[in-house]
Amino acid sequence: AQKVTQAQTEISVVEKEDVTLDCVYETRDTTYYLFWYKQPPSGELVFLIRRNSFDEQNEISGRYSWNFQKSTSSFNFTITASQVVDSAVYFCALSEMNYGGATNKLIFGTGTLLAVQP
Amino acid sequence: NAGVTQTPKFRILKIGQSMTLQCTQDMNHNYMYWYRQDPGMGLKLIYYSVGAGITDKGEVPNGYNVSRSTTEDFPLRLELAAPSQTSVYFCASRQGSTSGANVLTFGAGSRLTVL
Repeated sequence: AQKVTQAQTEISVVEKEDVTLDCVYETRDTTYYLFWYKQPPSGELVFLIRRNSFDEQNEISGRYSWNFQKSTSSFNFTITASQVVDSAVYFCALSEMNYGGATNKLIFGTGTLLAVQP
Repeated sequence: NAGVTQTPKFRILKIGQSMTLQCTQDMNHNYMYWYRQDPGMGLKLIYYSVGAGITDKGEVPNGYNVSRSTTEDFPLRLELAAPSQTSVYFCASRQGSTSGANVLTFGAGSRLTVL
């Protein structure tokens, strides 16, 4: 069964510190997609990144970077030089694929609450 | 474009009452989803739809019903509300594809309290 585990429930850092949010997933699919979403205190869900299972290159976008390792089934998210505006709940998600059924449900982890203190 | 619009944003229900959460999208997306978010539990899929007239159950469908008569609308109905249905509900949509690559666009959420 597909599963996404975010073991870190809450992380608190001081502004300008680097922080890594862990995500471990389980799937029997050979082709799948992984996502990170951000949920700021206002409550909406904001898409951050999508990664397919064939592309293990790390990705960097400004202060954000993602490390995808199939060997350890992990898709970790690092924020460099954190800022107060980064305070949010971050969700990792896995796209389940049912061939022929075309359901493509997104399975979410339980989220990590990141608090960045000034 | 408005994206995904959910109404109401907040609602308080009494035990046993019924109500419908409305969701509409203007992006001509085939796929639509209802999730509920409970504290510390992430998002759980309630129901989803792959097109007008087609719906299916997710992980936690009990106590809910959906319909999809048009591409744009995907209402979620709560029958006989119970305190366990106190949650934040998110509607989402995405373009049609079997690849799983498409990104979900979420509504702003509807906070429901059952007392």
